[in-house]
Amino acid sequence: GEQVEQRPPHLSVREGDSAVIICTYTDPNSYYFFWYKQEPGAGLQLLMKVFSSTEINEGQGFTVLLNKKDKQLSLNLTAAHPGDSAVYFCAVRIQDSNYQLIWGSGTKLIIKP
Amino acid sequence: DPKIIQKPKYLVAVTGSEKILICEQYLGHNAMYWYRQSAKKPLEFMFSYSYQKLMDNQTASSRFQPQSSKKNHLDLQITALKPDDSATYFCASSQEAGDNQAPLFGEGTRLSVL
Repeated sequence: GEQVEQRPPHLSVREGDSAVIICTYTDPNSYYFFWYKQEPGAGLQLLMKVFSSTEINEGQGFTVLLNKKDKQLSLNLTAAHPGDSAVYFCAVRIQDSNYQLIWGSGTKLIIKP
Repeated sequence: DPKIIQKPKYLVAVTGSEKILICEQYLGHNAMYWYRQSAKKPLEFMFSYSYQKLMDNQTASSRFQPQSSKKNHLDLQITALKPDDSATYFCASSQEAGDNQAPLFGEGTRLSVL
């Protein structure tokens, strides 16, 4: 079945620097991709959903890149600020999966002043 | 105002007891889900419902039973509680159970079983 590897598990960057989180999936039938952010003590907040027909998506302070050739999904935070400190999860949906999402294991991001 | 309400926020139970976790969503969504998060597994899918019918069950134990009394409710009954059940349980919902649907999550119920 589909496997989603998310790395790194922990990431610490200085305020103003960039941070990159990568998810690698295995199933070539993966076709919908999602990034979520979880702040301490809170639920998961949807950051962005990406479809197979789109390669680059830009949000507020971050960019999501989908590389179908290498089966990689990345989240790039530019100019990180303290409010970005959270755990980030990727999720992948494959065809014929009863709409189930396969989740990465999460990346705990800490922004240092 | 939160649109997915989970109650209670914190719950302490003794081993062997039974608890019900409440979830209500006011988004007009037709699909609802339960997830579990613990130190052992960052995020674990449990159940999905669509139009009040069970779509998928990835929970091995029958001690976990979802209950949908209304379209916008999906409660989770847990019987014969064990310390290993200690986790945060998240309810989520989406407009439909479709390909491009991203679940929106509640704030969670933090369960501790002593």
